[in-house]
Amino acid sequence: KAGVTQTPRYLIKTRGQQVTLSCSPISGHRSVSWYQQTPGQGLQFLFEYFSETQRNKGNFPGRFSGRQFSNSRSEMNVSTLELGDSALYLCASSRSGTGNSPLHFGNGTRLTVT
Amino acid sequence: AQSVTQPDIHITVSEGASLELRCNYSYGATPYLFWYVQSPGQGLQLLLKYFSGDTLVQGIKGFEAEFKRSQSSFNLRKPSVHWSDAAEYFCAVPNYGGSQGNLIFGKGTKLSVKP
Repeated sequence: KAGVTQTPRYLIKTRGQQVTLSCSPISGHRSVSWYQQTPGQGLQFLFEYFSETQRNKGNFPGRFSGRQFSNSRSEMNVSTLELGDSALYLCASSRSGTGNSPLHFGNGTRLTVT
Repeated sequence: AQSVTQPDIHITVSEGASLELRCNYSYGATPYLFWYVQSPGQGLQLLLKYFSGDTLVQGIKGFEAEFKRSQSSFNLRKPSVHWSDAAEYFCAVPNYGGSQGNLIFGKGTKLSVKP
């Protein structure tokens, strides 16, 4: 069974630009979550989608948005990039997104904003 | 509110030595508990999980963890560490309510292994 796939693996963008990251969950998984990981803040939750609906959202500005498609694939978008957005963005999928459903992570997209 | 504390930011052990990484949680009831490992530049991999039953849980790569309700702990152990175990380890509990996502993660413990 294929794992969670994130594309691209690396991105370099300039301040003010926008970026779209993609995530393909494990087959059969309907919940997709996004996390931002930085050395200073650790793992911070961005949002979670289940059956194309945003079910949960973290404390990030509106520049961060996401969506989920009918095949459970998900994208996240960051507009008007800032230097502080440089981070490893991790996508995770699970069957149901409930407490007893472990998250399975992709290898992440490393975003560098210059 | 639920929370997870990993008291040790960085631990260094010699190859072949035993390892114990600490995790304490704050939770309203008996939680589900998870340990994840992250190698540099990679995503998180599930090491093991506790849902119920036997309080000693076996995971992948020779790791085990013990749930102790009286101490609100779920410490990760390995009898003999290998150089390839050098990574960062995260303890997690589910989040019911709030805006922290499906799981609440500790800040992580970075493990270095001396030859």
